[in-house]
Amino acid sequence: DADVTQTPRNRITKTGKRIMLECSQTKGHDRMYWYRQDPGLGLRLIYYSFDVKDINKGEISDGYSVSRQAQAKFSLSLESAIPNQTALYFCATSDPTSGITSTDTQYFGPGTRLTVL
Amino acid sequence: EDQVTQSPEALRLQEGESSSLNCSYTVSGLRGLFWYRQDPGKGPEFLFTLYSAGEEKEKERLKATLTKKESFLHITAPKPEDSATYLCAVQAASGNTPLVFGKGTRLSVIA
Repeated sequence: DADVTQTPRNRITKTGKRIMLECSQTKGHDRMYWYRQDPGLGLRLIYYSFDVKDINKGEISDGYSVSRQAQAKFSLSLESAIPNQTALYFCATSDPTSGITSTDTQYFGPGTRLTVL
Repeated sequence: EDQVTQSPEALRLQEGESSSLNCSYTVSGLRGLFWYRQDPGKGPEFLFTLYSAGEEKEKERLKATLTKKESFLHITAPKPEDSATYLCAVQAASGNTPLVFGKGTRLSVIA
């Protein structure tokens, strides 16, 4: 089974609808992230959470909200979807280690392709 | 502000034609530099972490190197299955900020 899962994998919706994208992980990581990816723009960070009680805005949080229901679950909501939110959305997790070669490697889910008409 | 620039944006190689991808970065103290591979429509897949200038890591036909200002991903004798987008990212020394990603290099290897 995949360590990081995203549901749904594909979603087509209409302008003005509320949409929720869900992310679950079995890696036991404290840190979770939501990104969107658009052609030519790369990965852009929407929100991130370093633990259940910690939520932080990324570079493009407007129009989005998140909920960290548990260590293993992090949901992204579009309160009123608009066409320019059409993109590929990725969830990621990480678990920073300590020491000389400490690392905060992020592990990504398979993505959700969202189309807003 | 931490920043990552990757070049070229796209690269087309013949099978067996070795080349390098570049990742230039500015960061307030480097904790780690990361390379990822991404296939179309899929999530990025972790390849390497480099920590300090002079460090090298290898995996099959890929070798990543690091200097104080840039990293190179060398691809030796590539095969069509190496076709993908390669992403570079950095993390600042504090470790309490997320990774900063470049826009990637799209590699196509033609048989």
